[in-house]
Amino acid sequence: AQSVTQPDIHITVSEGASLELRCNYSYGATPYLFWYVQSPGQGLQLLLKYFSGDTLVQGIKGFEAEFKRSQSSFNLRKPSVHWSDAAEYFCAVGADNDMRFGAGTRLTVKP
Amino acid sequence: DAGVIQSPRHEVTEMGQEVTLRCKPISGHNSLFWYRQTMMRGLELLIYFNNNVPIDDSGMPEDRFSAKMPNASFSTLKIQPSEPRDSAVYFCASSLQAPFDTIYFGEGSWLTVV
Repeated sequence: AQSVTQPDIHITVSEGASLELRCNYSYGATPYLFWYVQSPGQGLQLLLKYFSGDTLVQGIKGFEAEFKRSQSSFNLRKPSVHWSDAAEYFCAVGADNDMRFGAGTRLTVKP
Repeated sequence: DAGVIQSPRHEVTEMGQEVTLRCKPISGHNSLFWYRQTMMRGLELLIYFNNNVPIDDSGMPEDRFSAKMPNASFSTLKIQPSEPRDSAVYFCASSLQAPFDTIYFGEGSWLTVV
């Protein structure tokens, strides 16, 4: 089965700074790749997804992610972080008829 | 449109009691997932249904856990008997068709076993 790793448990950035959250996956072929965000007390919401085509994917709230096959990575980026972006972010891999989530990265935004 | 609906939102129960969590997926969705989220273990896939049939239940912790999907609009996750270590947030989610469609999550059922 596929697996997904998010190496960073917790990241702190200053408001207005750029952000990159890392995600690596393990699967024999190219899986379906997703980034979700979870605000406190809420379920998960889709930010963006990659299936095929252009490896740079645009999502909601100004987020983007780049698929790099050679590195088995799907890192999430945002050029300028807002205080409202503080949340937990999950990378997910869809393959073999199911969906697996990474452990999540908690983002703290400093004023 | 209504999203994934879970009940109860919060439950506190005593160890040894039976707990039943309920889920109504989004109408028309063919795939249904049960996840458990804890601080220690993160988000874990417990079981996945496709067209009401359990496809992968390898994430179900032990025999105390069982899940059913009697029809396309309803699923239950049952814990019997419950234990304090079962305390977690349980999410139900659905998608049109896994693994390539967006998964939509319910707001979760917050379970505390004392």
